[in-house]
Amino acid sequence: DTAVSQTPKYLVTQMGNDKSIKCEQNLGHDTMYWYKQDSKKFLKIMFSYNNKELIINETVPNRFSPKSPDKAHLNLHINSLELGDSAVYFCASSQGTGPRGIQYFGPGTRLLVL
Amino acid sequence: AQSVTQLDSQVPVFEEAPVELRCNYSSSVSVYLFWYVQYPNQGLQLLLKYLSGSTLVKGINGFEAEFNKSQTSFHLRKPSVHISDTAEYFCAVSEVIQGAQKLVFGQGTRLTINP
Repeated sequence: DTAVSQTPKYLVTQMGNDKSIKCEQNLGHDTMYWYKQDSKKFLKIMFSYNNKELIINETVPNRFSPKSPDKAHLNLHINSLELGDSAVYFCASSQGTGPRGIQYFGPGTRLLVL
Repeated sequence: AQSVTQLDSQVPVFEEAPVELRCNYSSSVSVYLFWYVQYPNQGLQLLLKYLSGSTLVKGINGFEAEFNKSQTSFHLRKPSVHISDTAEYFCAVSEVIQGAQKLVFGQGTRLTINP
């Protein structure tokens, strides 16, 4: 049973294209996140959703648009892909929004923009 | 805003030797700290956490960490490492921004176990 799953696992695409990454969690959590891990392995939060509502947007370009159709899903759509978007994108989920929450991470989506 | 510094980007050790991975955080009134491990080409897995109480925290796979408020540190230790411990280790501090939890990660420490 995969707790947090992401599709696709790998994504290779050309600059300028539009692509989507999907995330699903079966933990019954009400909060989901997107993180970006760059080539130096540095992890930074991009977005956080609680009960389908956006609660954190960390100055991410407008080309990135998250969508949460329900509490178990958080998708990430990226328009007009740029070389600098190449990274590993991780989805995570937790219960609640307090600072003691444990975040569970998905396996990551490796995006390469050529 | 909180910050985390992992003092070593790479730590090579021999199998069965002890290891310590260092982590310092910026001071705050309430501190919630986590260590995550990332095995090659995988997602992050929680090793252990400090939320309150005992300053010595035990986690999975024989790892433990000690919360030291005066030194603002949360170093990770294991008395005897195994080849399978080769991975990237991340220290993180939790803060609340706009009513939501945000994990702030350190730069990561690559632990390499040599036979």
